[in-house]
Amino acid sequence: DGGITQSPKYLFRKEGQNVTLSCEQNLNHDAMYWYRQDPGQGLRLIYYSQIVNDFQKGDIAEGYSVSREKKESFPLTVTSAQKNPTAFYLCASTSSGPSRLPLHFGNGTRLTVT
Amino acid sequence: GQQLNQSPQSMFIQEGEDVSMNCTSSSIFNTWLWYKQDPGEGPVLLIALYKAGELTSNGRLTAQFGITRKDSFLNISASIPSDVGIYFCAGSIIQGAQKLVFGQGTRLTINP
Repeated sequence: DGGITQSPKYLFRKEGQNVTLSCEQNLNHDAMYWYRQDPGQGLRLIYYSQIVNDFQKGDIAEGYSVSREKKESFPLTVTSAQKNPTAFYLCASTSSGPSRLPLHFGNGTRLTVT
Repeated sequence: GQQLNQSPQSMFIQEGEDVSMNCTSSSIFNTWLWYKQDPGEGPVLLIALYKAGELTSNGRLTAQFGITRKDSFLNISASIPSDVGIYFCAGSIIQGAQKLVFGQGTRLTINP
């Protein structure tokens, strides 16, 4: 079955450590996205990539970094510079069809930093 | 920036009741999407709307793209326990998801 796989499901880190969240898709989608979800808020865009080896900052990119070396993979690194990293992180992708929507989501990674 | 107001924030209903929720925007959109999210999971697409005035159904769910292009509603008929979750609307003016704006969600609770 095609889909988006995020791992791990739960991640715990100490403050000051960088941590990388994995996102893999086998939908053959060109575009991939990272969102952050906090309780009671809408999803906020961190980074997105429309093609391999290219990515753009979203609305809240500070303290995060990404890479897109392969079409299937779009890992997100939460750096120690991110002031409030504890959140639910969602990876998503879209096709390159005429509308390039809708967005398909993975099952998320819950990151807790103490 | 664009604002998207989703209401109500939460609903408590009896099983079998119909549900209605809506989203309004300060800007016009070309696309409206409705998602459902179960606890600890990613959002799942319910309905996608691409044309003003469009009314689309998916089983017991019906959603409409408002004629002004600034609003959309989602109705659920004859609610069942598995309808529990958080429902999100999202709107976009352009192709691609990089400008997709999300509502804050409607949390639906059903009393059996």
